[in-house]
Amino acid sequence: SSELTQDPAVSVALGQTVRITCQGDSLRSYYASWYQQKPGQAPVLVIYGKNNRPSGIPDRFSGSSSGNTASLTITGAQAEDEADYYCNSRDSSGNHHVVFGGGTKLTVL
Amino acid sequence: QVQLQESGPGLVKPSGTLSLTCAVSGGSISSSNWWSWVRQPPGKGLEWIGEIYHSGSTNYNPSLKSRVTISVDKSKNQFSLKLSSVTAADTAVYYCARKNSITIFGVGNNWFDPWGQGTLVTVSS
Repeated sequence: SSELTQDPAVSVALGQTVRITCQGDSLRSYYASWYQQKPGQAPVLVIYGKNNRPSGIPDRFSGSSSGNTASLTITGAQAEDEADYYCNSRDSSGNHHVVFGGGTKLTVL
Repeated sequence: QVQLQESGPGLVKPSGTLSLTCAVSGGSISSSNWWSWVRQPPGKGLEWIGEIYHSGSTNYNPSLKSRVTISVDKSKNQFSLKLSSVTAADTAVYYCARKNSITIFGVGNNWFDPWGQGTLVTVSS
């Protein structure tokens, strides 16, 4: 089991906006980071910190947080955004342990 | 820019020890980062295994702690993973990654970037 909970699957129509959420107690104290993973590839960081995008990540990706929930929003989803998305943060025990959410499969219709 | 490359046997026998190395290029392993191992069983999600700092300090996933050893070799700019008493459940793609951390106005964040390409390790006789 994961201390960070994600919906297993989400779908969005091409060009529309989709929000992928991540819930966990540790998110009240720590920001989540978000990764995109396409089949057969390593995860790629898309959002970190309050709402920071690494170089090369399109500005249609954004992050936000409220209470125990972190969100990744894709505004104007493209076909190439179809992928698995994972959140990660610290665990809630206070130790220096890392946890990942179970992942969300995003389908672009 | 920093790049990571995993290496090691792709096949390990049950009850044996899985051993992998992650070579760091384009930067120093003695930077202010933790260096991590993450694995992904086929068709499943990501699981953090553990991490090491260049000083040798480590943190491990409690569920794997009894079987995991992560070490660092600063002279070779690399770090390594050993997982003992492996079973078929340890079959996975193993990634190494650099963990970055920051605290702003009391709120912490860590993120993994970059990642290695990953290496598939199969546990089978």
